[in-house]
Amino acid sequence: DAEITQSPRHKITETGRQVTLACHQTWNHNNMFWYRQDLGHGLRLIHYSYGVQDTNKGEVSDGYSVSRSNTEDLPLTLESAASSQTSVYFCASSEGQGRDTQYFGPGTRLTVL
Amino acid sequence: GENVEQHPSTLSVQEGDSAVIKCTYSDSASNYFPWYKQELGKGPQLIIDIRSNVGEKKDQRIAVTLNKTAKHFSLHITETQPEDSAVYFCAASIYGQNFVFGPGTRLSVLP
Repeated sequence: DAEITQSPRHKITETGRQVTLACHQTWNHNNMFWYRQDLGHGLRLIHYSYGVQDTNKGEVSDGYSVSRSNTEDLPLTLESAASSQTSVYFCASSEGQGRDTQYFGPGTRLTVL
Repeated sequence: GENVEQHPSTLSVQEGDSAVIKCTYSDSASNYFPWYKQELGKGPQLIIDIRSNVGEKKDQRIAVTLNKTAKHFSLHITETQPEDSAVYFCAASIYGQNFVFGPGTRLSVLP
């Protein structure tokens, strides 16, 4: 079955380190998204991509970057991790072209000490 | 930009009763409104969605209503069961782009 996976599921890192969270989908969806989820804020959009080589900033993009070199993957990089980036991160994908439903991965819990 | 409010933040109902969660949005251009259910330790899962050209949609025990004039939409769950206990999120978007989510409602169904 097609799916969307995230790795690692849990990560502990130190302030200042570079961290990359992986997202992989096998639906061949054009659109991919990264969100962070914090208590009281719901889901907030970090970055998104509408296709290979396309990336866009979302509501809370400072300190994060993404790159889209193929259809299946959209890795999220924290250039220099900060304690404020401790959160649960969700990747999502949608088919695009009028098919709007976003499908979410299982999440990565990141702790920055 | 779009702003989505969601009420209540917590909701407790007795098993078998109905539950209603309400959301309002600010951007009249929004035309796609999904509802997601999130169980502990899992990612959000779509349970129902509605587009702006429809006023109501039902799927078994779940229904969503949309009032474009008032810019609000609601999730209705009938005959609630313990497995309905979860956090529910509404969202608004324009043609599936730039989803803006509400802050969530924690629903507890008491046996």
